[in-house]
Amino acid sequence: EVQLLESGGGLVQPGGSLRLSCTVSGFSFTSYVMGWVRQAPEKGLEWVSGMTAFGNTAYYADSVKGRFTISRDNSRNTMYLQMSSLRADDTAIYYCARLYSGSYVDYWGQGTLVAVSS
Amino acid sequence: EVVLTQSPEFQSVTPKEKVTITCRASQNIGNNLHWYQQKPDQSPKLLIKFASQSFSGVPSRFSGSGSGTDFTLTIDSLEVEDAATYYCHQSSGLRQTFGGGTKVEIK
Repeated sequence: EVQLLESGGGLVQPGGSLRLSCTVSGFSFTSYVMGWVRQAPEKGLEWVSGMTAFGNTAYYADSVKGRFTISRDNSRNTMYLQMSSLRADDTAIYYCARLYSGSYVDYWGQGTLVAVSS
Repeated sequence: EVVLTQSPEFQSVTPKEKVTITCRASQNIGNNLHWYQQKPDQSPKLLIKFASQSFSGVPSRFSGSGSGTDFTLTIDSLEVEDAATYYCHQSSGLRQTFGGGTKVEIK
């Protein structure tokens, strides 16, 4: 069974940092592009970042470029999102996403909540 | 960055009625357009991939069409369980984007 499990969310002050993790099971991690999608309270989905299967290419939404860094450890079946210089508008549920052939998201995690507030 | 504009933002529909949601891309994205359904407090679920291909296990009342810049999601004969927000998503290139969403309410 394919599973994606996010962790690392929580409450952080503006300007602070947080690292999210997504640990997967039930499939070959190195065969898939992986990504992060977020959803602010009562808002729509926003693509945040993605990384190719062997970590050679990363891409970011303009809203997070320069502040967030995506990475993956294929030996641990885990993807990360290092978030720094956090702002109130980064408050959201962050979903881990598996992309089939780098296109559509066929599996989603349950999400982890990041709240940026003083 | 490709901007996806969905319409309408909200639709109130009677069961068994037909629902049509549109998604317009700011540039040609071929058929790299996918549709998701999200119910409250749940993760999104894939309905349609590559504009018109139904994902495994999705009821046949859901269908998609279009290519280039204009796309449509159709729900034939809406059921009560279809109350949700629907999103389009483009995967043309490395920087992907979502549409703003269409909330479908049951009258």
